[in-house]
Amino acid sequence: AQSVSQHNHHVILSEAASLELGCNYSYGGTVNLFWYVQYPGQHLQLLLKYFSGDPLVKGIKGFEAEFIKSKFSFNLRKPSVQWSDTAEYFCAVTPSGGGGNKLTFGTGTQLKVEL
Amino acid sequence: DAGITQSPRHKVTETGTPVTLRCHQTENHRYMYWYRQDPGHGLRLIHYSYGVKDTDKGEVSDGYSVSRSKTEDFLLTLESATSSQTSVYFCAIRRQGGTNTEAFFGQGTRLTVV
Repeated sequence: AQSVSQHNHHVILSEAASLELGCNYSYGGTVNLFWYVQYPGQHLQLLLKYFSGDPLVKGIKGFEAEFIKSKFSFNLRKPSVQWSDTAEYFCAVTPSGGGGNKLTFGTGTQLKVEL
Repeated sequence: DAGITQSPRHKVTETGTPVTLRCHQTENHRYMYWYRQDPGHGLRLIHYSYGVKDTDKGEVSDGYSVSRSKTEDFLLTLESATSSQTSVYFCAIRRQGGTNTEAFFGQGTRLTVV
């Protein structure tokens, strides 16, 4: 079974600072990877996804992530954060191929951006 | 929102009572999931479904059952609610592509067991 680790549980940044949130997964085969964001009081929304091809994927709101297969990592980055990026961020993984497989989430990283 | 509706949105119930949460989708997606969200644990999969009457357990399925008699509805039942089941419950759907598609989430149900 797959698993996901997010090592940063709480991150506090000032506006305009750069962001990198770590995500490592464990699974023996090929995977699909996702980052979701949850703004306070809301449901999860997709930020970006990786299925195959270019390991550098760009998402909404200036976010990007890089899949490094050798490191089993899929770190989320943003060059300059804004106060409105304050939210909780979740990395998720599912085995690729087949159908209906379990989508497994990490424990989340709470990001607070200060003015 | 991918046409997902969860009901109720909020519920307070007493320990030992049965509770059923409903997830309704309008787009006939094959895959549906129930997660619970708790501080420090992220989202944990309770049960999921890959078709009508086809369901499987997730990582935290004890104390929960599910049913899917129609494509559009996926019900989560707590047979006898306990305080440890106080949580926010999210339903999710994935399109026909299965693993090569992203999940879309409902608005969540906040359940409090007193």
